[in-house]
Amino acid sequence: KNQVEQSPQSLIILEGKNCTLQCNYTVSPFSNLRWYKQDTGRGPVSLTIMTFSENTKSNGRYTATLDADTKQSSLHITASQLSDSASYICVVSAQAGTALIFGKGTTLSVSS
Amino acid sequence: GAVVSQHPSWVICKSGTSVKIECRSLDFQATTMFWYRQFPKQSLMLMATSNEGSKATYEQGVEKDKFLINHASLTLSTLTVTSAHPEDSSFYICSARDLTVSTGELFFGEGSRLTVL
Repeated sequence: KNQVEQSPQSLIILEGKNCTLQCNYTVSPFSNLRWYKQDTGRGPVSLTIMTFSENTKSNGRYTATLDADTKQSSLHITASQLSDSASYICVVSAQAGTALIFGKGTTLSVSS
Repeated sequence: GAVVSQHPSWVICKSGTSVKIECRSLDFQATTMFWYRQFPKQSLMLMATSNEGSKATYEQGVEKDKFLINHASLTLSTLTVTSAHPEDSSFYICSARDLTVSTGELFFGEGSRLTVL
């Protein structure tokens, strides 16, 4: 069964600290993995997309990694800011990109 | 970059009325669009896949007669919540895929908040 599991479910960190969010998947055949940021009351916005051959991809203070062998991905946020408070959703695309499997998201709260 | 627009962004209606939400892909054609519902502090829940020129595919547990989906053109899909009740109050989000990009980039609308009184 195709599944995407994210951890932790929620996380609270102090402003300026780093954090890492995890995404494990059992989707096969794998096409690509995406990380989205969703602010409260807004639609999700794409952070990164990685295909099978990509191990790491950065977008500003966000760095995503992918280990296709262990079927794990992480999203590392450096020097967190209050505006990073949001839900982060991992989405895995299967079957040459036709099917999308959503994780339940990690809610990040950055406090001052 | 590609943009997906939703309208209205917020709607309040009386119980028993029907509400239509539009989802438009502004600079690309989308043969497939997706509709989601999200309750407070919960994750996105896929409701249905909207296919241009054919019937939508609904997820298990989603009433197709309650949530009517029409995908009449390559840039527009509509979700109509029929005979809305307070329990239908939720945040509804659409997304569309730009298949001209090899990874099939998925873009989300800004969402439509429905409040049924």
